[in-house]
Amino acid sequence: KAGVTQTPRYLIKTRGQQVTLSCSPISGHRSVSWYQQTPGQGLQFLFEYFSETQRNKGNFPGRFSGRQFSNSRSEMNVSTLELGDSALYLCASSKGTGNSGNTIYFGEGSWLTVV
Amino acid sequence: AQSVTQLGSHVSVSEGALVLLRCNYSSSVPPYLFWYVQYPNQGLQLLLKYTSAATLVKGINGFEAEFKKSETSFHLTKPSAHMSDAAEYFCAVRPQGGSEKLVFGKGTKLTVNP
Repeated sequence: KAGVTQTPRYLIKTRGQQVTLSCSPISGHRSVSWYQQTPGQGLQFLFEYFSETQRNKGNFPGRFSGRQFSNSRSEMNVSTLELGDSALYLCASSKGTGNSGNTIYFGEGSWLTVV
Repeated sequence: AQSVTQLGSHVSVSEGALVLLRCNYSSSVPPYLFWYVQYPNQGLQLLLKYTSAATLVKGINGFEAEFKKSETSFHLTKPSAHMSDAAEYFCAVRPQGGSEKLVFGKGTKLTVNP
């Protein structure tokens, strides 16, 4: 069974540009969440999508957005990149039923460097 | 709001020694609790999870954790450390019902000395 797949794994962008990261969840999983990991702030929740609807959102500016497609694949976009957006972006997937201790699986992450 | 506190950002043990990584949670009702491990340049791998079925939870790689409601703790232990256990460990909490959002602690970096 394939795990959570994130692309690209590594990328370098310039300040002011935008970036799109992609995530393919485990087959059958309907919930996809995104997290930002930095040395200073640790792991912070960005947003969660379930059945193409944003179900929960973290405390990030509007430059951070996401979406989920009918096949549960998800993308997140960061516009007008800032140096502080340099981070590891992790995607997580689960069944998404929300009423039990569903196992939440993480991808390998996308390393974004903003220069 | 639920939160997690991991005591000790760095823990160093000798190979073969007991590993104890501490996690305390803040929640008005028993939450779901997780321990994840992150090896360098990799994503997060689930070690174990507490979902109220049993207070002592056994995970992969010989790790286990005990849920103690009275102490609001979920400490991770392993009787004998291996060099391969060197990694960063994260405790996380997820409220019952609703979304799959995880709230993570700051992490504990485990060093295993030969």
